[in-house]
Amino acid sequence: DAKTTQPPSMDCAEGRAANLPCNHSTISGNEYVYWYRQIHSQGPQYIIHGLKNNETNEMASLIITEDRKSSTLILPHATLRDTAVYYCIVNSGGSNYKLTFGKGTLLTVNP
Amino acid sequence: GAGVSQSPRYKVTKRGQDVTLRCDPISSHATLYWYQQALGQGPEFLTYFNYEAQPDKSGLPSDRFSAERPEGSISTLTIQRTEQRDSAMYRCASSLASGAGTGELFFGEGSRLTVL
Repeated sequence: DAKTTQPPSMDCAEGRAANLPCNHSTISGNEYVYWYRQIHSQGPQYIIHGLKNNETNEMASLIITEDRKSSTLILPHATLRDTAVYYCIVNSGGSNYKLTFGKGTLLTVNP
Repeated sequence: GAGVSQSPRYKVTKRGQDVTLRCDPISSHATLYWYQQALGQGPEFLTYFNYEAQPDKSGLPSDRFSAERPEGSISTLTIQRTEQRDSAMYRCASSLASGAGTGELFFGEGSRLTVL
């Protein structure tokens, strides 16, 4: 599975949009982009995933560049409860059991 | 069950003892995963089951680690002759099935193991 690069930390003001970048320049054609987050010591929580089209659900939006080498997770109106480590994961799906989490981005939402 | 349930939530043991951790996945989920998470790190894959089959054990750090899922539902992770470096959070997750784009893994709250 392709490797991802994320900034170690980001800050966001409460109520503003949080835009979390992820670089996956070695992604191959059959690999999906997954986003998970982990709040404090809880188990990781699935947020969203996509292949090449932009995706939106009740939690977030996922914007994938046309060349698929990078993506951005958007939390449209961040709240204090969105403070968490956010993991961008690239996986072929055929082996999606082996999600490689990396270190992720610690997003801190400030009041 | 409603979610992935793990027990015990906390386990403190002495070096050299064996420990067994248990995972009860979501009842409709065919696939079950075990991950190990050290403090400050992301979870790392250990092994997974598709029903009772265990296609991949490549993440198990040594032969002291083993996992079972004999009836395709509840799974146990056993660590024999524990060492201090085994101290970590052990997380179980389940999903409907492995395969392309099947989406989310549901994680339990984890079992925190401390080896003294």
